[in-house]
Amino acid sequence: EAQVTQNPRYLITVTGKKLTVTCSQNMNHEYMSWYRQDPGLGLRQIYYSMNVEVTDKGDVPEGYKVSRKEKRNFPLILESPSPNQTSLYFCASSPTRGYQETQYFGPGTRLLVL
Amino acid sequence: AQTVTQSQPEMSVQEAETVTLSCTYDTSENNYYLFWYKQPPSRQMILVIRQEAYKQQNATENRFSVNFQKAAKSFSLKISDSQLGDTAMYFCAFMKGLDSNYQLIWGAGTKLIIKP
Repeated sequence: EAQVTQNPRYLITVTGKKLTVTCSQNMNHEYMSWYRQDPGLGLRQIYYSMNVEVTDKGDVPEGYKVSRKEKRNFPLILESPSPNQTSLYFCASSPTRGYQETQYFGPGTRLLVL
Repeated sequence: AQTVTQSQPEMSVQEAETVTLSCTYDTSENNYYLFWYKQPPSRQMILVIRQEAYKQQNATENRFSVNFQKAAKSFSLKISDSQLGDTAMYFCAFMKGLDSNYQLIWGAGTKLIIKP
């Protein structure tokens, strides 16, 4: 089944404790992206990747890191999480970076930083 | 800057009724895509329908259709014969091209409740 998977689905952590949220897609998509969703704000893009070893900042990259060592994986890293990073996070992928492409979303990861 | 506005924070209708969710956007671009996504309580984002800006014909997917008014920059979603399973948050999104990042710009969402 074609899908985007994220792990973990739920995470509670404390300020400053490094964490990684994994994202994997099995559709051989080139383009992958991370979003955060906050009430009343819709989704905002954190980072995106055009292909392996190619990543760039979205609208709200502060406090986050990503890497793209393999085409299928695009982990999101919070080196020192803070309470303002409490949010719902989505990973998405699409075949290429063209605007005609539909983005496929993972199930979301709900993060609480205490 | 591109923006997407959904003016209805919450709506509720009876099962089997028709409901229309509104969305307006602002852009200076001529070619772009518009999307409606559904987010049920499971939290996953599910594509409902998309519209290509250069196409005059409104997109339709079964009970879901859009009313795309390019000059007015309006992109409303109509759900016919609403079902309990349609209860969800609905997000309107605009895909722009900025350099090489075709980024989705999202509205704040409309919470739709279908009552039995």
